[in-house]
Amino acid sequence: GENVEQHPSTLSVQEGDSAVIKCTYSDSASNYFPWYKQELGKRPQLIIDIRSNVGEKKDQRIAVTLNKTAKHFSLHITETQPEDSAVYFCAASSDYKLSFGAGTTVTVRA
Amino acid sequence: SAVISQKPSRDICQRGTSLTIQCQVDSQVTMMFWYRQQPGQSLTLIATANQGSEATYESGFVIDKFPISRPNLTFSTLTVSNMSPEDSSIYLCSAGTGGTYEQYFGPGTRLTVT
Repeated sequence: GENVEQHPSTLSVQEGDSAVIKCTYSDSASNYFPWYKQELGKRPQLIIDIRSNVGEKKDQRIAVTLNKTAKHFSLHITETQPEDSAVYFCAASSDYKLSFGAGTTVTVRA
Repeated sequence: SAVISQKPSRDICQRGTSLTIQCQVDSQVTMMFWYRQQPGQSLTLIATANQGSEATYESGFVIDKFPISRPNLTFSTLTVSNMSPEDSSIYLCSAGTGGTYEQYFGPGTRLTVT
């Protein structure tokens, strides 16, 4: 099955700086890569996704890049704000079923 | 996006008993899934809830332990059977239309087994 690795496990950034989270996947058939944000005690929230026919996608301060050849994808958050503090999960899918990375705890320092 | 609710939101159960968790979606969806999230951990897919047929289970999960029903396109249940403390976890359902790949999650059910 699909194996998704996510790094780093924790990330502390100064408010206003950028944050980058990286994921790799094993199944070359994977064609959909979403990112979820989960605040403490809340449900995972889909924040951005990318499909295999696209190399980059941006939504305001959030962007995702995909390198299919290297089987890795990344989440970029610019101008971080305190409300960006949460756990972020990457995932990969080839048949609508999601395989998740281990998660990255992002802390934005004021 | 679909609005997803789950009942109960939390429960404390004794070992050896069973709990059924309900998942309701406000619109018809093609795909429904059940995940488990142990404290401080990532999400693990338990099974795909198939409408009108048996659920499809992932490696490590079996129907006798986690029976699933999906009687229509908006509702599914997951039963955690013969519970042990190791079953203490958050159980989440998700739903997607199938055409867009996007999946949205319910609020989760926090289960504690004593």
